Amino acid sequence: DAGVIQSPRHEVTEMGQEVTLRCKPISGHDYLFWYRQTMMRGLELLIYFNNNVPIDDSGMPEDRFSAKMPNASFSTLKIQPSEPRDSAVYFCASTRSGGDNEQFFGPGTRLTVL
Amino acid sequence: AQTVTQSQPEMSVQEAETVTLSCTYDTSESDYYLFWYKQPPSRQMILVIRQEAYKQQNATENRFSVNFQKAAKSFSLKISDSQLGDAAMYFCAYRAFFNSGNTPLVFGKGTRLSVIA
Repeated sequence: DAGVIQSPRHEVTEMGQEVTLRCKPISGHDYLFWYRQTMMRGLELLIYFNNNVPIDDSGMPEDRFSAKMPNASFSTLKIQPSEPRDSAVYFCASTRSGGDNEQFFGPGTRLTVL
Repeated sequence: AQTVTQSQPEMSVQEAETVTLSCTYDTSESDYYLFWYKQPPSRQMILVIRQEAYKQQNATENRFSVNFQKAAKSFSLKISDSQLGDAAMYFCAYRAFFNSGNTPLVFGKGTRLSVIA
């Protein structure tokens, strides 16, 4: 299996631009999580999906952030408009239902907003 | 809400020696999971070891072992025979138990481990 795939690996953009981060979970996994890692706040949950349905988006910082999962094999995290404080590493992770199943992380997308 | 605290921002260890990383957590739940993740400079998140709260026996994975103290809500990681490749950020994480589903991870702020040759 290819593991969780994220694209792009690096993104540099200017303030005010729209940014779209992409994630392909492992086939057969029905849970997908988006986490953000910053120096100040560490690793924190943004949103997660079960069977393509958002379960908890309380970690999404503000309305500039949106996430979708149109099908079981694809999810996007969009920031519009982007701001310098959005600079971070964004991780996607997936897993199966079942309490003891491991979450598998993608390689992350490093976002820099100038 | 559950919280995870790692009180050691940085640690160092001599190669071949043993080091212990500390973690405490706060929860009102009786069933949950605890994890240690390793994040090398490549930034990939790698699961090192996990512990189910209902198990009294401490988990062990080769050179890595934990000291799980449920009453004290403490979960430390011991790395024996430290190797240069162990140098990384280590994150302690908590996950609530949900029998038929899955739940998000709650992470501590991390401990940066340096290994001295």
